[in-house]
Amino acid sequence: QKEVEQNSGPLSVPEGAIASLNCTYSDRGSQSFFWYRQYSGKSPELIMFIYSNGDKEDGRFTAQLNKASQYVSLLIRDSQPSDSATYLCAVEGRALTFGSGTRLQVQP
Amino acid sequence: SAVISQKPSRDICQRGTSLTIQCQVDSQVTMMFWYRQQPGQSLTLIATANQGSEATYESGFVIDKFPISRPNLTFSTLTVSNMSPEDSSIYLCSVEGGAGQSGANVLTFGAGSRLTVL
Repeated sequence: QKEVEQNSGPLSVPEGAIASLNCTYSDRGSQSFFWYRQYSGKSPELIMFIYSNGDKEDGRFTAQLNKASQYVSLLIRDSQPSDSATYLCAVEGRALTFGSGTRLQVQP
Repeated sequence: SAVISQKPSRDICQRGTSLTIQCQVDSQVTMMFWYRQQPGQSLTLIATANQGSEATYESGFVIDKFPISRPNLTFSTLTVSNMSPEDSSIYLCSVEGGAGQSGANVLTFGAGSRLTVL
C-alpha cells in the first residue's frame, strides 16, 4: 500500500522568507507527484506537479523531486501571509494518495 | 479544468439515517472519485466510480455503507448509509483533468459536503 509521509507542522516562517515543505513516499514505482494547497474550510487546489528528477519552478513555487531518495519537496519563496494553509503532497497511482499535510503559518 | 458542483454543501444528520451527496460535472469524464476528509485529517479515497460499471471501493469501505451511482458521464452520487457520529466528515467529489503534454492526471475537487452526525 502506498504511503505518503509529511510533517504535520505547524511550520512557521516570517513574511518574505522561504518555506520548505517536505514529503517522502514508499512506492518506488511512483511516477507523478503533486502539491495541493488547502485553506481552512475549503477543498484542495493544485499548486503544481512534477514527474522528473530535479527542480520545477512556477512563480514563487519550486517543486523538487529525488526519486532515488523517494523525496519530494515544495519551496515557497517570498512567503506571504496568504500562503498560510495546509499543503498536501500526493502521489499518483490508480488514484491519488495524499499525505496528512503540513500546516504552514506565515507571520506578518 | 472541469467545474464541479457538489451538494449539499453541509448538513446535520441524525444517527441511523442516510444522506445522498450529488456531484455534477460540467464536462464528460470517465472516472469520478469520492474522498473523505475527517476532521484534522488528510484525504482518504473511498471509491472510484466509472459510468456503466460497479464502483471500485478501497480497503475499509464497502458498498452497503457507501453506495455509489454513476448514471452518466457527468453525474454521480454517494450515499452515506446508517450514519453514526464517526461518519462526520467532509466528503469530496473529484475528477481527473489532463495536464496537457505532461500526461499527468490532475485531480480537481468539488467544494465538498460537510456532514455532521448527531
